[in-house]
Amino acid sequence: NAGVTQTPKFRVLKTGQSMTLLCAQDMNHEYMYWYRQDPGMGLRLIHYSVGEGTTAKGEVPDGYNVSRLKKQNFLLGLESAAPSQTSVYFCASSYSTWVETQYFGPGTRLLVL
Amino acid sequence: AQSVTQLDSQVPVFEEAPVELRCNYSSSVSVYLFWYVQYPNQGLQLLLKYLSGSTLVKGINGFEAEFNKSQTSFHLRKPSVHISDTAEYFCAVIPNSGYSTLTFGKGTMLLVSP
Repeated sequence: NAGVTQTPKFRVLKTGQSMTLLCAQDMNHEYMYWYRQDPGMGLRLIHYSVGEGTTAKGEVPDGYNVSRLKKQNFLLGLESAAPSQTSVYFCASSYSTWVETQYFGPGTRLLVL
Repeated sequence: AQSVTQLDSQVPVFEEAPVELRCNYSSSVSVYLFWYVQYPNQGLQLLLKYLSGSTLVKGINGFEAEFNKSQTSFHLRKPSVHISDTAEYFCAVIPNSGYSTLTFGKGTMLLVSP
């Protein structure tokens, strides 16, 4: 099992460019999450999904969109990147409810110039 | 809404010394509590969690935490740390009734030196 994988590992964007981050899990988990991690801020939830075809907003959703067309994949999109979106992005998944252990990917480091 | 406060942003300690990483939470309802660890350049992984039962919870790598409802705390402890314990540690909380999301603290960096 690969667990949770994220693509790409690192990306540099110019302000206004768009991109999609891909998260894939092979554990048949229902719940998937996107977090961003900034120094001194801990992890903040961007969006999450409780099953295929469903998505919901987290704590900091502005400027991001998500899609969960397949159970194993959760995509995070930035339509028009801004320097404030420079961060490390983590995807996670859990079997069912929020109290289940979340399994994290290795992260994507994004720099917006 | 719930919140988590990790009182120390950084804790330096010598190898084989004991360590305590502090976590306090605020919530109007009962909660479940978690500690996650992030090793350098990696994602987070679960150390331990408290859902119910004994207030002393044992986790991986020799860590344990004690849930104290009256003091709204969930401090993480290890009696003897190793260099390999150098990492960032995150406390997290979620209400055990109703629907809500997991809230993470800002993290405590544990720096173990020889």
